[in-house]
Amino acid sequence: KAGVTQTPRYLIKTRGQQVTLSCSPISGHRSVSWYQQTPGQGLQFLFEYFSETQRNKGNFPGRFSGRQFSNSRSEMNVSTLELGDSALYLCASSPGPPDNEQFFGPGTRLTVL
Amino acid sequence: AQRVTQPEKLLSVFKGAPVELKCNYSYSGSPELFWYVQYSRQRLQLLLRHISRESIKGFTADLNKGETSFHLKKPFAQEEDSAMYYCALSIQTGANNLFFGTGTRLTVIP
Repeated sequence: KAGVTQTPRYLIKTRGQQVTLSCSPISGHRSVSWYQQTPGQGLQFLFEYFSETQRNKGNFPGRFSGRQFSNSRSEMNVSTLELGDSALYLCASSPGPPDNEQFFGPGTRLTVL
Repeated sequence: AQRVTQPEKLLSVFKGAPVELKCNYSYSGSPELFWYVQYSRQRLQLLLRHISRESIKGFTADLNKGETSFHLKKPFAQEEDSAMYYCALSIQTGANNLFFGTGTRLTVIP
């Protein structure tokens, strides 16, 4: 099976812009989770989608949003970018309950200038 | 609030020596605990989780609810074990919102 894919792999934006990141889960997986990884804060959970519904949400401002499509592909959007949003954004997919083993993608490296 | 602590950022051991990566957590309920590993230039991947009680690549981890710990152990370290190790916690059985520790970089010296 193909692994989790994320596009784009690298992105450079300027403050105030918005960005959309995409994640394609492993075929058959219905759950997609997003994480932000920074040197200072480490890996932090953003949100999880299961069957097109947000199931869990981390402690991030409303500028961070996401969605999931009927084919389980997911996108996350960050509006009004700030310098502190520079990070590696990881997507992980899992089959769905009760199996919650997560398979991670390679990440999208976002740099905000 | 839930929290995962990995007290060692860096850990070096000699090949063949025992290794223990520490993980402590704080959560008042019954969490699920995981160890994830990231080898050089590879993706983050699940190493093991407490509910399966498996031994993967010679690693084991026992959930100690009294000490709120989930330390990762291996009796004889190998060079290929050099990697970044993350301890993670889920507060909901079957859920995918993981709380990660800051990670420990293990280096096995030949």
